Amino acid sequence: EADIYQTPRYLVIGTGKKITLECSQTMGHDKMYWYQQDPGMELHLIHYSYGVNSTEKGDLSSESTVSRIRTEHFPLTLESARPSHTSQYLCASSGRGGRADTQYFGPGTRLTVL
Amino acid sequence: GESVGLHLPTLSVQEGDNSIINCAYSNSASDYFIWYKQESGKGPQFIIDIRSNMDKRQGQRVTVLLNKTVKHLSLQIAATQPGDSAVYFCAEIGANSKLTFGKGITLSVRP
Repeated sequence: EADIYQTPRYLVIGTGKKITLECSQTMGHDKMYWYQQDPGMELHLIHYSYGVNSTEKGDLSSESTVSRIRTEHFPLTLESARPSHTSQYLCASSGRGGRADTQYFGPGTRLTVL
Repeated sequence: GESVGLHLPTLSVQEGDNSIINCAYSNSASDYFIWYKQESGKGPQFIIDIRSNMDKRQGQRVTVLLNKTVKHLSLQIAATQPGDSAVYFCAEIGANSKLTFGKGITLSVRP
């Protein structure tokens, strides 16, 4: 099982603020992902990375941006938060081995924008 | 387009009974499926997976069945316990290792 961490776990912030959600994994996984999830709903992929300096947009359009400067770190940034960004953000990673395609998830960051 | 969806939004079972959670998928080219369990306030947790060259796979108290003819996936939980209460997602692995999740079904275990 992958060790993957997200901070902060909860964030309440005012409109217009810039925020960065942190995600780190210690398993050396090449692939990392960001999902957005509303309560009781499905997960929507918003960004993914297949390695350092590689980032792609996911299926759901998002105003957030990501970077992948180090293998273990995949932060997500919102330049100007709005109430419509209120949601849970989940980070995941996947790597090599028998379950190379299985994604392992962090605990999530619950973001509330006032 | 590709989609993975669940038949029912909620399932209530008596503690000790067996649970069966069903999932339909539409992409016949998918070759890998995963069941995740998500407890309140946590990220999805891997339960069990199955590849398309298999019909059945068993884990500890859980069994996944795959019927490729009708594109149907099910998760069976034996002797359901209160700790099994959660939202369950089936997910399909498609191109570029991207997961497609269904909407999720809430399993509620009655004492």
